Amino acid sequence: NAGVTQTPKFQVLKTGQSMTLQCAQDMNHNSMYWYRQDPGMGLRLIYYSASEGTTDKGEVPNGYNVSRLNKREFSLRLESAAPSQTSVYFCASSDNGWNQPQHFGDGTRLSIL
Amino acid sequence: GESVGLHLPTLSVQEGDNSIINCAYSNSASDYFIWYKQESGKGPQFIIDIRSNMDKRQGQRVTVLLNKTVKHLSLQIAATQPGDSAVYFCAENLPYSGAGSYQLTFGKGTKLSVIP
Repeated sequence: NAGVTQTPKFQVLKTGQSMTLQCAQDMNHNSMYWYRQDPGMGLRLIYYSASEGTTDKGEVPNGYNVSRLNKREFSLRLESAAPSQTSVYFCASSDNGWNQPQHFGDGTRLSIL
Repeated sequence: GESVGLHLPTLSVQEGDNSIINCAYSNSASDYFIWYKQESGKGPQFIIDIRSNMDKRQGQRVTVLLNKTVKHLSLQIAATQPGDSAVYFCAENLPYSGAGSYQLTFGKGTKLSVIP
C-alpha cells in the first residue's frame, strides 16, 4: 500500500524557474493538502482541496498555485521560484469529516539558488 | 514542550525507560488532536489521536493524555526503543470552517533521542 507518493524527492532550481510538484494518493481520500516545513516554523498549510474540483488557500499561499487533477492527484506549482521558497514540501490526504487524521508523503526537498 | 525558536527542544532518555513528550495547544475550541512521529528524511507518521470528549487513549506502547482545562496534551511512550528516536509533534483540529476540510495546526516538535 503506497499511501501518499510525492515526486520528485529532491530538486534544485534557479531563481525565476518554474516547477510542478506532484502528489498522488491511493487511499480514496477526498481531501488533499500541501504544506511546507521550515526549521523552527513547523508545518504550514499552503493550499488544500476538500474534493475533486475544489481548492482553497491555506496560511501561506503566495507564490504557489495548485491543481486537483482528479481524486487521486493534487499538484503544486511554483511559477517563478524565489530563494524564500527553499523548503521541504509535504503532501497529505485525509477522509472528509471530523476526527480524520492526515496521512503524509515523504516530501520533496526543494532548493532555490 | 513545543519550540518557539529555531532549535527544537530535545528529550534524551535511556533505552527501556518511559518517555513523556508535552504539547500546549492554542485553541480552546479544538476538538480533535493527533500525535505524529517524523524520522529524518521522512514525512510525518500518524501515531495516535484523541477526541476532545476523552481524557486518555492508549495504543501499542503509547498513551495520549488530554487536559482541556490547561490546554495540554502529552504523549507517553513505554519502554522506549532506539527506533523511537525522531521528532514528535502534536496537531490540533481547528473548529470546522465550513470549507469542507478540517484544518490542522501543528506544533513545532520535540526531538526524542534514545540512548542505547
